Amino acid sequence: DTAVSQTPKYLVTQMGNDKSIKCEQNLGHDTMYWYKQDSKKFLKIMFSYNNKELIINETVPNRFSPKSPDKAHLNLHINSLELGDSAVYFCASSQIGTRDYGYTFGSGTRLTVV
Amino acid sequence: QKEVEQNSGPLSVPEGAIASLNCTYSDRGSQSFFWYRQYSGKSPELIMSIYSNGDKEDGRFTAQLNKASQYVSLLIRDSQPSDSATYLCAVRTSYDKVIFGPGTSLSVIP
Repeated sequence: DTAVSQTPKYLVTQMGNDKSIKCEQNLGHDTMYWYKQDSKKFLKIMFSYNNKELIINETVPNRFSPKSPDKAHLNLHINSLELGDSAVYFCASSQIGTRDYGYTFGSGTRLTVV
Repeated sequence: QKEVEQNSGPLSVPEGAIASLNCTYSDRGSQSFFWYRQYSGKSPELIMSIYSNGDKEDGRFTAQLNKASQYVSLLIRDSQPSDSATYLCAVRTSYDKVIFGPGTSLSVIP
């Protein structure tokens, strides 16, 4: 009955590889997000999807490509991984409406590029 | 100027004391303000949201908002060791992005 679930929880991979992270929410929210948290714990938005449509695309290398097959799923594919991509990636969801109830976060994916 | 700033910490308070966490933001048109708690190795968890000027209380937590001063704070009364965590201030800006502050690390000493 996990609200926002991400897989995998840990990912260790070599430079130059391609990897994907999956996210699913069962809250019925209409908006999903990818955030990156670096070693200094700073959370920075990468992408946002509302009902499968991309609404926020921050200055992120185009090696990162999000995909939302439906409003309950948001995946992140990363090509040609670099050392600087090492971070914790959080998926989150929210319901955008007349009242802003904030985000529910997934448990995070710790990506280590070696 | 950074969009959302927090006092850098770490902040140490004795058990039972009041912990005061502060946050300022730069976008005067921001409308929604949030406090998240993040334990080490865990994901952020929403603990308070506030939209109107003034105070909002929820148990031991009180959020305070002053839009004229562009200032949000979180007070934790009767601090417990289990409150030891990083507290993240988040602001939904007028351009509809939620920006997080760098966080303040709180340590409650038994």
